[in-house]
Amino acid sequence: EIVLTQSPATLSLSPGERATLSCRASQSINNYLTWYQQKPGQAPRLLIYDVFNRATDIPARFSGSGSGTDFTLTINSLEPEDSAVYYCQQRFNWPRTFGLGTKLEIK
Amino acid sequence: EMQLVESGGGLIQPGGSLRLSCAASGFTFTRYGMNWVRQSPGKGLEWVSYISTSSTTINYTDSVKGRFTVSRDNANNSLYLQMNSLRDEDTAIYYCARDFCATTSCRFDQWGQGTVVTVSS
Repeated sequence: EIVLTQSPATLSLSPGERATLSCRASQSINNYLTWYQQKPGQAPRLLIYDVFNRATDIPARFSGSGSGTDFTLTINSLEPEDSAVYYCQQRFNWPRTFGLGTKLEIK
Repeated sequence: EMQLVESGGGLIQPGGSLRLSCAASGFTFTRYGMNWVRQSPGKGLEWVSYISTSSTTINYTDSVKGRFTVSRDNANNSLYLQMNSLRDEDTAIYYCARDFCATTSCRFDQWGQGTVVTVSS
């Protein structure tokens, strides 16, 4: 089973700042890395797929990068509504695994 | 409007059984693989199971193998999860999620709102 390690566990930033969230895989997963956003009481929402492709209606200030085992979700010009937990997920093999998430708090 | 609506959750004693349903609407259900993903209270997301469009490919996470069975009824646009021999650790919100694939790219692009399963005596 591929383990995804997300860091930091919690991030507290102010509006307008940049957030950098990391996801490290226990083995190479090629580009099969997806990011989801989950707000309290809501279902997860697709943000980024295959490392850097934004999903429909996702603002351009969300971007993904990385390859192999190390991946990054960057959120520029943070807005209050970006407060959420962000999960990475791999689809390189079964079982599809998620990271434990990074909780982003907007001060 | 595309929609996934889960149902069937509830309070069940350890060792019991439940059958979850996910009703799909607003898209051509037969074109998509489907997943179940769960989230234990205050915890992260855990993928549970996948079923392909024609049910020819089915996968489970290890902790539910032999206890859970995923199925689908394409005529009625429905996805199911039969859960037997339930354990305390199966307590979670269960989401169904559509597996959108285009060429070699796949992702869970649409999610239901979830149904709550509580396993407790």
